[in-house]
Amino acid sequence: GQNIDQPTEMTATEGAIVQINCTYQTSGFNGLFWYQQHAGEAPTFLSYNVLDGLEEKGRFSSFLSRSKGYSYLLLKELQMKDSASYLCAVQPGGATNKLIFGTGTLLAVQP
Amino acid sequence: GAVVSQHPSRVICKSGTSVKIECRSLDFQATTMFWYRQFPKQSLMLMATSNEGSKATYEQGVEKDKFLINHASLTLSTLTVTSAHPEDSSFYICSARDLGQNTDTQYFGPGTRLTVL
Repeated sequence: GQNIDQPTEMTATEGAIVQINCTYQTSGFNGLFWYQQHAGEAPTFLSYNVLDGLEEKGRFSSFLSRSKGYSYLLLKELQMKDSASYLCAVQPGGATNKLIFGTGTLLAVQP
Repeated sequence: GAVVSQHPSRVICKSGTSVKIECRSLDFQATTMFWYRQFPKQSLMLMATSNEGSKATYEQGVEKDKFLINHASLTLSTLTVTSAHPEDSSFYICSARDLGQNTDTQYFGPGTRLTVL
């Protein structure tokens, strides 16, 4: 089966750094995505990893280790607006390239 | 990025009625669209993969006769919740796959909040 795990909730302080972990066990692997979702809204794309290593994009970075089935999303210089759910999603492969989403991590940024 | 729209954004209906939700890709053609359901404080659960011109592929546990999917054109997929019941109340989100030159990305619609009374 497909299994993608994330912590349910995290709390961090404005201006700090937070790391959100994601572990996965899927039937195949064709890439890993991170999305941000504010309450009542659709997910917005943050990052994509298919090769091992770190991808940096402004305040957001994402890391992947395929051998360990592990990824993390790193958020720097946290702002209040970063309070949201962060979803890890894996493409197990196949013709349609569907996404399997993890449980999501609700991040609360405090002043 | 590409734009995907959904209509309606919110719908309230009586138990036993059917509700149709539209998903449109506005600036690209999508041979594949996906339908997700999200309950409060939970993640997105893939319901089905909608393929233009052919039958949808449903995930395990999703009733194909209850959630009818039609993907009649390269820019439109519809999800019809038939004989809706209160337990069908949820946030329904579609995504469209942009399989253009040098890209293979899913873009999400804004979601439809369904409330069944």
